[in-house]
Amino acid sequence: DGGITQSPKYLFRKEGQNVTLSCEQNLNHDAMYWYRQDPGQGLRLIYYSQIVNDFQKGDIAEGYSVSREKKESFPLTVTSAQKNPTAFYLCASSISADSNQPQHFGDGTRLSIL
Amino acid sequence: RKEVEQDPGPFNVPEGATVAFNCTYSNSASQSFFWYRQDCRKEPKLLMSVYSSGNEDGRFTAQLNRASQYISLLIRDSKLSDSATYLCVVPSGGYNKLIFGAGTRLAVHP
Repeated sequence: DGGITQSPKYLFRKEGQNVTLSCEQNLNHDAMYWYRQDPGQGLRLIYYSQIVNDFQKGDIAEGYSVSREKKESFPLTVTSAQKNPTAFYLCASSISADSNQPQHFGDGTRLSIL
Repeated sequence: RKEVEQDPGPFNVPEGATVAFNCTYSNSASQSFFWYRQDCRKEPKLLMSVYSSGNEDGRFTAQLNRASQYISLLIRDSKLSDSATYLCVVPSGGYNKLIFGAGTRLAVHP
């Protein structure tokens, strides 16, 4: 089945720990995105990548890092510098970075602090 | 003015009712718009894309009013399974940056 796979579904982070969220897509999409969703709020863009080996900061990049070494993969690392990491993290992809293209989402990772 | 604004609801309607949600946006240059559906604790799923004045798909109709900068979503003959949060999404910026509204919650009851 074609789609976007995020793992793990649930993740717990200890103080001072970095954790990495996985996102893989087999849709052959060029563009990939990471969002964060807090209760009662809209999605906020953390990082995006228009093409392999390129990525840009979104609106709330502080405390996060990404890489895009392969077209299919766009992992997100939540570093210890992110003081309020508890949220629902969503990865998305689109055919291209054209603003007329809809984005399609993985089923998310819920991150909590221990 | 927020980039995308939606009435948070909830809209509580009986089965079979017609319900409409509005969404206003601030970027007059936006060309395409999207409605997503998000179930509780799940990912958003694309419901409709709107590229011109509107779009219709079965019981769902989206309309775009560029002059007043709002888009609407009309759901006819509501089903229990329509209960969800509906997100209005507007592109903003030169790359594919989508601005998500906080969503309108719909609850359809028997």
